[in-house]
Amino acid sequence: DTEVTQTPKHLVMGMTNKKSLKCEQHMGHRAMYWYKQKAKKPPELMFVYSYEKLSINESVPSRFSPECPNSSLLNLHLHALQPEDSALYLCASSQLTSGRSFGQFFGPGTRLTVL
Amino acid sequence: KNQVEQSPQSLIILEGKNCTLQCNYTVSPFSNLRWYKQDTGRGPVSLTIMTFSENTKSNGRYTATLDADTKQSSLHITASQLSDSASYICVVSKITGGGNKLTFGTGTQLKVEL
Repeated sequence: DTEVTQTPKHLVMGMTNKKSLKCEQHMGHRAMYWYKQKAKKPPELMFVYSYEKLSINESVPSRFSPECPNSSLLNLHLHALQPEDSALYLCASSQLTSGRSFGQFFGPGTRLTVL
Repeated sequence: KNQVEQSPQSLIILEGKNCTLQCNYTVSPFSNLRWYKQDTGRGPVSLTIMTFSENTKSNGRYTATLDADTKQSSLHITASQLSDSASYICVVSKITGGGNKLTFGTGTQLKVEL
C-alpha cells in the first residue's frame, strides 16, 4: 500500500458545527502533516507530527485541533470555523530515518466548505 | 530567506509537443527536490524526487534535472497529452531532524490543447 487516504472527500459545515477530517497511511511513515490549500496557491503547512508527537504547529488557530492516535492515523478536528477556512485540506506523510525526513506523499485532499 | 521560484507561471502547448518547466531555489541546507503534478481540487502527486548527488531522474515522459551548484531544476515533458494539463509544483526540502518543512514553488499551470 503506497498511498495516503483521506475522508471525507467533501465536507460542508456550518460555523457552529463540529467535524473531523481523517487521514490514513500504511507505508510505515512516522511523520504526518496537515496542509491547507486555497485555490491557485501552494499548500500551507499547518501541523507536523513526528513519531506521533506534535513537532510543528504553524500558529494555527485553536479552532483546528490535530490528533495522531497512532502511527497510521491523523485527524483534524474542526470547531467553530469561519467561511475563510474553506479550502482544500491535504494530509501528507513521509519517512523518518535517523531523524531525517524524505519527500512527502500527499493524500487526495478534503474539500471543505464553511457556510 | 528560503524561496522556490518557478517559471513560466503558465504555459499553453499543443498536444504532442514537448515543454520544459523551470525551478530556481535558495533553500539551504538542501535535502531533496520533488516535482509534483496537481490536478485542480486534488492532492499533489509526486513525479520525481532528487537528492543532492542526482543530476537527472526520469519517470515515463517526465524527466527532471538538478544542478545543485546553481540551485536550478527543470522538468521536461515529452509528447504531451491532454491529461498533462495540471499545475506542476517544485518542492524543496531542507535537511532537518524530525518532520521537515517543505518550501513550495507557486507552480506552473500547464494547459495542453488539441
